[in-house]
Amino acid sequence: GDSVTQMEGPVTLSEEAFLTINCTYTATGYPSLFWYVQYPGEGLQLLLKATKADDKGSNKGFEATYRKETTSFHLEKGSVQVSDSAVYFCALVNAGNMLTFGGGTRLMVKP
Amino acid sequence: GAVVSQHPSRVICKSGTSVKIECRSLDFQATTMFWYRQFPKQSLMLMATSNEGSKATYEQGVEKDKFLINHASLTLSTLTVTSAHPEDSSFYICSAQRGDKAYEQYFGPGTRLTVT
Repeated sequence: GDSVTQMEGPVTLSEEAFLTINCTYTATGYPSLFWYVQYPGEGLQLLLKATKADDKGSNKGFEATYRKETTSFHLEKGSVQVSDSAVYFCALVNAGNMLTFGGGTRLMVKP
Repeated sequence: GAVVSQHPSRVICKSGTSVKIECRSLDFQATTMFWYRQFPKQSLMLMATSNEGSKATYEQGVEKDKFLINHASLTLSTLTVTSAHPEDSSFYICSAQRGDKAYEQYFGPGTRLTVT
């Protein structure tokens, strides 16, 4: 079946550091890929998405590129802020129209 | 933006009792809602898909007699954990789907259930 694997956290960075959270997937066909963010005490929110190979999703300074050749969708941000501290989930949707989530990566940004 | 609420946010109950968790879409109607369970340091596991006016569809391995789901209106779904045991302690998250795409789900903040 489909699966998503992302790096274990927590990831601890200083403010203005560069962020990469790795995500790889296993799926048949051509899934759509997503990053969700969960701030403390809140529900998951869609951060960005990409629906086909080589698409780049971007939002709030975060970017991720759909790489079919490496089955990856790594999340990046050039300069993180304390307010970016949250748990980030990589996910995919395939033919069954159901979300499959990775394990989540906690990001902690220190001032 | 679309808002989904869950109530209660935390609940502690004794073994053998039942507890009900409510999921409401506050500013949109949702014919489909989902219930997830999240274990510590693990991903969200889909438990069931709740469709308004019909029976819920449970994922493999989820006991439907233990986790009762009712989707009585377009803005409310409830999950009742019956005869709770300590192993049912977990973080339960609901979502409501606004459109016809799976990613158009809006998530509630979750309910922490502790069974003593």
